[in-house]
Amino acid sequence: NAGVMQNPRHLVRRRGQEARLRCSPMKGHSHVYWYRQLPEEGLKFMVYLQKENIIDESGMPKERFSAEFPKEGPSILRIQQVVRGDSAAYFCASSQGSGVDTQYFGPGTRLTVL
Amino acid sequence: GESVGLHLPTLSVQEGDNSIINCAYSNSASDYFIWYKQESGKGPQFIIDIRSNMDKRQGQRVTVLLNKTVKHLSLQIAATQPGDSAVYFCAETLRGSTLGRLYFGRGTQLTVWP
Repeated sequence: NAGVMQNPRHLVRRRGQEARLRCSPMKGHSHVYWYRQLPEEGLKFMVYLQKENIIDESGMPKERFSAEFPKEGPSILRIQQVVRGDSAAYFCASSQGSGVDTQYFGPGTRLTVL
Repeated sequence: GESVGLHLPTLSVQEGDNSIINCAYSNSASDYFIWYKQESGKGPQFIIDIRSNMDKRQGQRVTVLLNKTVKHLSLQIAATQPGDSAVYFCAETLRGSTLGRLYFGRGTQLTVWP
């Protein structure tokens, strides 16, 4: 059974460029969460999606950040006009249901903004 | 050895000793607690969870204790091995939440010496 898959694992962008991060949930999971982790800190919730729906985006900056989970294909976290402060590890997790269902994490995408 | 997760972010133990990693939470509405292990360069890995209607739960070599009176959670690892070296995070969700958003603690770095 494949776990949560994320790509790319490492992404380097210059200031002002766009970053696209992809997440494929575990088989049978229809709930996807995105978290951001700064060095030596815990993970911070960004957004929670189900297929074709954003359920909770309260942790995601209003500007420049967007997320989607289309009917077909992976979930995408998109960061427009990246700035140095966006450099972080971005983790995706998936669960079978919502609420207290266990979330399983992918290996993360490490974004570096030059 | 013991640590208080938020105040002592590092814990060093000898191989074969038992480890205790502590976590304090502040929200009395927290209902579900999870311990994750994160190795360098990897995503968080689920270890064990506990619901607020329980005080103790055991897994293979790990035990989680929950003290709701003082809002304290601990992870005990028996016969610690070098492979247990990682950062350990406690995470929680709020009672009645259907959103599944996890709130992570800062983490404790566990180092196991041979």
